[in-house]
Amino acid sequence: DGGITQSPKYLFRKEGQNVTLSCEQNLNHDAMYWYRQDPGQGLRLIYYSQIVNDFQKGDIAEGYSVSREKKESFPLTVTSAQKNPTAFYLCASSTGTVNTGELFFGEGSRLTVL
Amino acid sequence: AQSVTQLDSQVPVFEEAPVELRCNYSSSVSVYLFWYVQYPNQGLQLLLKYLSGSTLVKGINGFEAEFNKSQTSFHLRKPSVHISDTAEYFCAVSARGYQLIWGAGTKLIIKP
Repeated sequence: DGGITQSPKYLFRKEGQNVTLSCEQNLNHDAMYWYRQDPGQGLRLIYYSQIVNDFQKGDIAEGYSVSREKKESFPLTVTSAQKNPTAFYLCASSTGTVNTGELFFGEGSRLTVL
Repeated sequence: AQSVTQLDSQVPVFEEAPVELRCNYSSSVSVYLFWYVQYPNQGLQLLLKYLSGSTLVKGINGFEAEFNKSQTSFHLRKPSVHISDTAEYFCAVSARGYQLIWGAGTKLIIKP
C-alpha cells in the first residue's frame, strides 16, 4: 500500500536533547511538508520541500531543521533551541506545489518533553 | 493575506441528526477551499475540495459543502451523522501561489 510512514509514533525527550522524527513516503510525490499541531490551533507549517536537496522555512521554523537527500525521505530534527517542543507532528506530501492543497498525511508523531 | 475562521470549536449533535460545520475565509484573490477530517490520534484525510465550477461539492462519507463567494463561506454539511463521524474537521484555504492556511478545527461530538 502506498502511503506515508512516520516514526516513532510516541517519543519522550529530556530538555536539552535533539530528536529526529522520520518521514518516508512511497507515493512518488515531489513535495513534502512538516506541520505542528497544538490543541485549538490547527496546523502550522514548519518546513516544506518541493524538490530533492531544497527546502523552505514555514511559519514556525525556529528550533527545527530538515534535510531532503532523497525524494522519499524528509526527516525533521527538533533541536534544543525549540522552546516548547511538546506537540503532535504531522508529515505530509503532495504531487505538486504547495498550493494544490491535496495533501496526504502520515499518522503523526507525538513528542513529549519531560 | 488569507485567513480562515471556523466559528465553532465543538459541535455536539445527536446520532442521525443533520449537522453543519461553519467555515469563513478572507482573501483578496480567488481561492481553493478544502475540508479535511482527523480521527483521534491519526493524520488528516481529505474530505472534499472546491477548485472551480459547481458551488456544491460532494465528498466522502456522505459529506457535502457549499461555496458561497458573496458570504466568503464554505460550510460543511451532512444530513444524518453516525457515531463513526466523531472526529475533528479542518477547513483550509489555498490561494494560487500561496501555502495552505488552516482553520483551528471543529470537533464533532456525536451523542447517542
